[in-house]
Amino acid sequence: DAKTTQPTSMDCAEGRAANLPCNHSTISGNEYVYWYRQIHSQGPQYIIHGLKNNETNEMASLIITEDRKSSTLILPHATLRDTAVYYCIVRVGNTGNQFYFGTGTSLTVIP
Amino acid sequence: EPEVTQTPSHQVTQMGQEVILRCVPISNHLYFYWYRQILGQKVEFLVSFYNNEISEKSEIFDDQFSVERPDGSNFTLKIRSTKLEDSAMYFCASSGTQNSPLHFGNGTRLTVT
Repeated sequence: DAKTTQPTSMDCAEGRAANLPCNHSTISGNEYVYWYRQIHSQGPQYIIHGLKNNETNEMASLIITEDRKSSTLILPHATLRDTAVYYCIVRVGNTGNQFYFGTGTSLTVIP
Repeated sequence: EPEVTQTPSHQVTQMGQEVILRCVPISNHLYFYWYRQILGQKVEFLVSFYNNEISEKSEIFDDQFSVERPDGSNFTLKIRSTKLEDSAMYFCASSGTQNSPLHFGNGTRLTVT
């Protein structure tokens, strides 16, 4: 049921922008894209979500392509505490009530 | 900021015993979820709950599992007869509407011996 694909791992230098890509080519017109991260075995932490327009909050920016088939999460100034697994998620299931967590992207921020 | 709280943080039980994992979702949320994560593996969907009934469940959520919202604040997951393979982190989540983000608790680590 995987509806998103992400690179398995990425490195980023501390203080630089981290750009995490995601493909969701089968997304439908009314489906949001959500981004979460998980640090160690803590609960997944919500970062940002969007439908069509680019979004920004205090944690990150989300850039969604015009055809909505892919998106990029941007952490503008990565810190060591941003080392985590990042998940790009769309809803699946008969009622659209499931978040499907794939394997995500393991981001390592390097000092 | 309101948060989802889960208790206990760690539960150890013997195979065959019943366990109840407890969650207090964010107070004005209407949708409730349980997920689990076996060590080193993906976060897996178990069940979603809305309007006092299960709205969706995965293949993992078999007859050994049940959920309940016994009052206006708690949301519980019961495993009737635990197996070794039930050892995992169990995460509760809630959301205000169907399209709003899920907010997760920090999980209960269940260890079945």
